[in-house]
Amino acid sequence: SQQGEEDPQALSIQEGENATMNCSYKTSINNLQWYRQNSGRGLVHLILIRSNEREKHSGRLRVTLDTSKKSSSLLITASRAADTASYFCATDGDNAGNMLTFGGGTRLMVKP
Amino acid sequence: NAGVTQTPKFQVLKTGQSMTLQCAQDMNHEYMSWYRQDPGMGLRLIHYSVGAGITDQGEVPNGYNVSRSTTEDFPLRLLSAAPSQTSVYFCASSYSDRVGETQYFGPGTRLLVL
Repeated sequence: SQQGEEDPQALSIQEGENATMNCSYKTSINNLQWYRQNSGRGLVHLILIRSNEREKHSGRLRVTLDTSKKSSSLLITASRAADTASYFCATDGDNAGNMLTFGGGTRLMVKP
Repeated sequence: NAGVTQTPKFQVLKTGQSMTLQCAQDMNHEYMSWYRQDPGMGLRLIHYSVGAGITDQGEVPNGYNVSRSTTEDFPLRLLSAAPSQTSVYFCASSYSDRVGETQYFGPGTRLLVL
């Protein structure tokens, strides 16, 4: 079963707008990561937030984590057409070692 | 460094055939894993390895075998392919089992089983 569930499943916005994607999970975690996947390509790691952190920034990315609600959000500010991709959250803490459990992803389309 | 490489990029099999998906990394990573991604879904863990000679099952291991004879290579074997194994397969590696270690993914292998 999937640990993380992204919401919405698909999102379409205009270039320059902000995009917000949410992720919910079921069990306690050590950390939560966000990945991007361009069509037909492998995953690229974007950002990691630890369970004792509430907010983290990386360039145009802002991630929040609410462990009491078991949820996280990824905000992409001033979106660009090149941000068009699928975005996945992944958690660990539910498996041995460093293996991640992925959600179903949010498909983001940024229209020029 | 080449990072994580996977071959082939695309494969068509008939039901019952066997094949091996290759995965290699040149970053001296201890951890390697195999995921499958079905249309519109996230990744599900098939098998993983915490080091040479050590493997373990993930969420969906049935129908797949793995071995880890070297640190660099982690092949995934389909013993008798079934249409349900049509998917995109990703191999990943990371340096250690420390919490929060970033995983590096290969470009994927698209498998179609007829």
